Amino acid sequence: EVQLVESGGGLVQPGVSLRLSCVASGFTFSNYWMSWVRQSPGKGLEWVANMNQDGSEKYYVGSVKGRFTISRDNAKNSLYLQMNSLRAEDTAVYYCARDGIIRGDYWGQGTLVTVSS
Amino acid sequence: DVVVTQTPLSLSVTPGQPASISCKSSQSLLHSGGKTFLYWYLQKPGQSPQLLIYEVSSRFSGVPDRFSGSGSGTDFTLKISRVEAEDVGIYYCMQGIHLPYIFGQGTKLEIK
Repeated sequence: EVQLVESGGGLVQPGVSLRLSCVASGFTFSNYWMSWVRQSPGKGLEWVANMNQDGSEKYYVGSVKGRFTISRDNAKNSLYLQMNSLRAEDTAVYYCARDGIIRGDYWGQGTLVTVSS
Repeated sequence: DVVVTQTPLSLSVTPGQPASISCKSSQSLLHSGGKTFLYWYLQKPGQSPQLLIYEVSSRFSGVPDRFSGSGSGTDFTLKISRVEAEDVGIYYCMQGIHLPYIFGQGTKLEIK
């Protein structure tokens, strides 16, 4: 059974950093692109970033470029999102999703990031 | 960025009746390899999004056959042949060919 479990969310002040993690199981993690998608409270879905199997290709939505970094550790079946210079508008539930030939076929349960002073 | 427009934004449907959601993209979602990268997801209340339809019309594993997708190029439709109570939630289409991937605004389905 494919499982994706996010962690690392919390309440932080504007301007600080936070690192999210996503641990994958039930499939060969190193064979898949992976994505981060977020959902602000009461709002729709926004794709944030994705990366390929070996980390040589990474893509970001414009609003996070230069502030967020996606990375992975295939030995640990883990995906990460390093978020720097956090802003109030980054407040959201962050989901990791498998991004293979079928985009977003499996999603985690999400982790809530709240940026507030 | 590609603009993805869903209509309607809300639907109220009697159980057993059909429902239809439209999704329009500002650019073609047809890849040179022949596939069209249009996806449909359902986010049930309090849950993560779940994939319903991929590549316009292919149902994902376990998705009931009352769900169907159609369309081409820039215009797509999700149809539910007979709505059931468990279908409530927010439906999103997503274009998955042009980066950044873009979701539609979502269509909230309620049961009358």
